[in-house]
Amino acid sequence: QSALTQPASVSGSPGQSITISCTGTSSDVGGYNYVSWYQQHPGKAPKLMIYEVSNRPSGVSNRFSGSKSGNTASLTISGLQAEDEADYYCCSSTSSITRVFGGGTKVTVL
Amino acid sequence: EVQLLESGGGLVQPGGSLRLSCAASGFTFSSYAMSWVRQAPGKGLEWVSTISTSTYYADSVKGRFTISRDHSKNTLYLQMNSLRAEDTAVYYCAKDLGRGEPYFDYWGQGTLVTVSS
Repeated sequence: QSALTQPASVSGSPGQSITISCTGTSSDVGGYNYVSWYQQHPGKAPKLMIYEVSNRPSGVSNRFSGSKSGNTASLTISGLQAEDEADYYCCSSTSSITRVFGGGTKVTVL
Repeated sequence: EVQLLESGGGLVQPGGSLRLSCAASGFTFSSYAMSWVRQAPGKGLEWVSTISTSTYYADSVKGRFTISRDHSKNTLYLQMNSLRAEDTAVYYCAKDLGRGEPYFDYWGQGTLVTVSS
């Protein structure tokens, strides 16, 4: 159950687009479409932003989008805003019917 | 409105035990898989355990932690035994989006467990 690999930090200016990668294996990210993304502000509980690779829950801005290619999933935030500054985590189901998170990416809005 | 309220956290000595509870409301508790996710201070999220028709555990807690639920009380539990310093974390309970949809759509505010002598 090794954690999925995410960059430690990503930054961008307001209005720009950024992409966060999440790399796993064929036993998790690459083997299933059960990939989700969570946003966490300091001191707060995580919030579901993307599920099943690319679906947005009701109420989540369409500036957030997800995709997957092979063993790597990606979260793109377009039109970056100050409120998007937070930690982001990917998560995948695995072949063992367990779940695994990525190490997290800190997004900074310059 | 879906609400998840954790309780039971606190300070415990290494080797000790603690039982966490998560009171659920606002949805049909018995119809959804429920999970525990933890976050060590300053660290990332770590999946701990899920209960649906079966139970599943992270290798780091297997054999020491037990997840259970009481449908009559709409409450999720996590019995934690043989606690170690590395179990120190905020423990969140989380609800799955739906049957066959292993995504955490609602989270509690968390309860802090500190393992220290």
